[in-house]
Amino acid sequence: EVQLLESGGGLVQPGGSLRLSCAASGFTFTTYGMGWVRQAPGKGLEWVSGLSDSGGNSYYADSVKGRFTISRDNSKNTLYLQMNSLRAEDTAIYYCAKPFRDYGDYWAFDYWGQGTLVTVSS
Amino acid sequence: EVVLTQSPATLSLSPGERATLSCRASQNVNRYLAWYQQKPGQAPRLLIYDASNRATGIPARFSGSGSGTDFTLTISSLEPEDFAVYYCQHRSSWPLTFGGGTKVDIK
Repeated sequence: EVQLLESGGGLVQPGGSLRLSCAASGFTFTTYGMGWVRQAPGKGLEWVSGLSDSGGNSYYADSVKGRFTISRDNSKNTLYLQMNSLRAEDTAIYYCAKPFRDYGDYWAFDYWGQGTLVTVSS
Repeated sequence: EVVLTQSPATLSLSPGERATLSCRASQNVNRYLAWYQQKPGQAPRLLIYDASNRATGIPARFSGSGSGTDFTLTISSLEPEDFAVYYCQHRSSWPLTFGGGTKVDIK
């Protein structure tokens, strides 16, 4: 059974940093790209970042480029999102998500974690 | 960036009725469009990928069509559990983007 378990969310002041983690199990993590998607309270979905299976190619939404860094540790089956210079508008539930197929650019997501809430406020 | 525009914003229907949701892309995304369902307090659920392919376990009452810039999600006969918010998403280029959503509620 595929499982994605996010952690690391919480309350942080504007300008602060957080690192989110996503522990994956139930599939061959090393052959899948992975992504982060967020959802502000009461709002729609916003894609944040994606990372190829090897970690060699990363992609970011313009709204987070230069502030967020996606990475992975394939030995630990874990995806990360380092978030720096956080702003109030980054407040959201952050979901880790797995593409529906491996070994390629199949960037639609068939499994999602339960999400972790990040609140940026003073 | 590809902008996805969903319409209508809200669709009020009764169980058993047919639902037709639209997603229009600002540029050609070929058939690289997906549809998701989201219920309150839950993560999104993939319904359709690549315009018309049902994801694993998705009932046959859900169908997708379209290519290029115009796409449709059809629910042939609404079940009580289908009242939710639906999003489209493209994967044709970076950045990926989602539409703003269509809420299907009970009339």
